Amino acid sequence: DAKTTQPPSMDCAEGRAANLPCNHSTISGNEYVYWYRQIHSQGPQYIIHGLKNNETNEMASLIITEDRKSSTLILPHATLRDTAVYYCIPFNAGGTSYGKLTFGQGTILTVHP
Amino acid sequence: EPEVTQTPSHQVTQMGQEVILRCVPISNHLYFYWYRQILGQKVEFLVSFYNNEISEKSEIFDDQFSVERPDGSNFTLKIRSTKLEDSAMYFCASTSPSGTEAFFGQGTRLTVV
Repeated sequence: DAKTTQPPSMDCAEGRAANLPCNHSTISGNEYVYWYRQIHSQGPQYIIHGLKNNETNEMASLIITEDRKSSTLILPHATLRDTAVYYCIPFNAGGTSYGKLTFGQGTILTVHP
Repeated sequence: EPEVTQTPSHQVTQMGQEVILRCVPISNHLYFYWYRQILGQKVEFLVSFYNNEISEKSEIFDDQFSVERPDGSNFTLKIRSTKLEDSAMYFCASTSPSGTEAFFGQGTRLTVV
């Protein structure tokens, strides 16, 4: 499994964009970058994933560098409910979602008023 | 939106007792997982289950643990003789064959006293 490095914590003001970085320099060519979050010990929640192109959905945007060694999750207008632990997880499932997820320590994002 | 349901939300048991944690995955999903999270630590993979058999398990998942899908809807995790160190949040998850994300339940907090 590729190793990831994320800052342990970040702060963001409500309404501002939250940019969460992840280094995954050992990612292999067929591993996607997945992002999940965990709100206050609830079950992890899927956010977004990508292989090499930037991706956007209703929750967030994902920017992957051209060399795929790092990525940034962007929450465009953070709210207090976005306070959570955010996990960046390289994952190879052959294009499906089957397989174990290897969680790191993640980044604790605190959104303040 | 479909969801993974876990019961009970909290279970307290005496050391040495058997516990069964129950999960109802999303109905058309075929892959099922158990993860656990000891307080303050990472989410850790325990086991994956497909086609009525274990497809992968971690070192944590020793002979004290077993999983079962007894009736086509429930997915259970049994711990035969609980230890203090089994105290943790246990999360069930499921994925569909063509899906791109894992859906997690809200967890069962197991406290062994």
